[in-house]
Amino acid sequence: GENVEQHPSTLSVQEGDSAVIKCTYSDSASNYFPWYKQELGKGPQLIIDIRSNVGEKKDQRIAVTLNKTAKHFSLHITETQPEDSAVYFCAASIRFVNTGNQFYFGTGTSLTVIP
Amino acid sequence: GAGVSQSPSNKVTEKGKDVELRCDPISGHTALYWYRQRLGQGLEFLIYFQGNSAPDKSGLPSDRFSAERTGESVSTLTIQRTQQEDSAVYLCAAPQGYYGYTFGSGTRLTVV
Repeated sequence: GENVEQHPSTLSVQEGDSAVIKCTYSDSASNYFPWYKQELGKGPQLIIDIRSNVGEKKDQRIAVTLNKTAKHFSLHITETQPEDSAVYFCAASIRFVNTGNQFYFGTGTSLTVIP
Repeated sequence: GAGVSQSPSNKVTEKGKDVELRCDPISGHTALYWYRQRLGQGLEFLIYFQGNSAPDKSGLPSDRFSAERTGESVSTLTIQRTQQEDSAVYLCAAPQGYYGYTFGSGTRLTVV
């Protein structure tokens, strides 16, 4: 099955600096890669996603890149703010005919933005 | 819009007791997923519902775990004879668009 690895597990940056979180996946059939932000006491919230036919996607201060050949994808947060502090999860998704989208999650990155 | 409600938000139970966790996909999604998140770890798939049937139960860790769903509505996850290793946050998710999920806020289960 699919195996998703995520690094680093913890990341501290100064406010205003950039943060980069990297994930790799193993199954070339994966075709959808969402990123979730989980704040304390809340469920994960989708912040950005990318499909396998796109190499890069940007939404304001957040961008995601995908390298299908190398099977890795990354989340980039620029001009970080204290409210960006949270746990971020990457995921790789394979869509099965009978069971819909099956998501495989990374183990999460705890991001701390230091004011 | 799409929303998923879970209850209770926190549950403390004694080892050996049974617990029921509830998920209510507010807008009536056909598909529904349960995940478990242990402290400091990623999301672990438990079970998938399509309507009230469960085509994929492969993630349920033992026969102490079971889940059911009424139509395209409420789902309950039941853990019998709870053990300390069952302590985790249990998350329910419903489809968001063609590919994504919307998650509930989860139930934090603590087995003492």
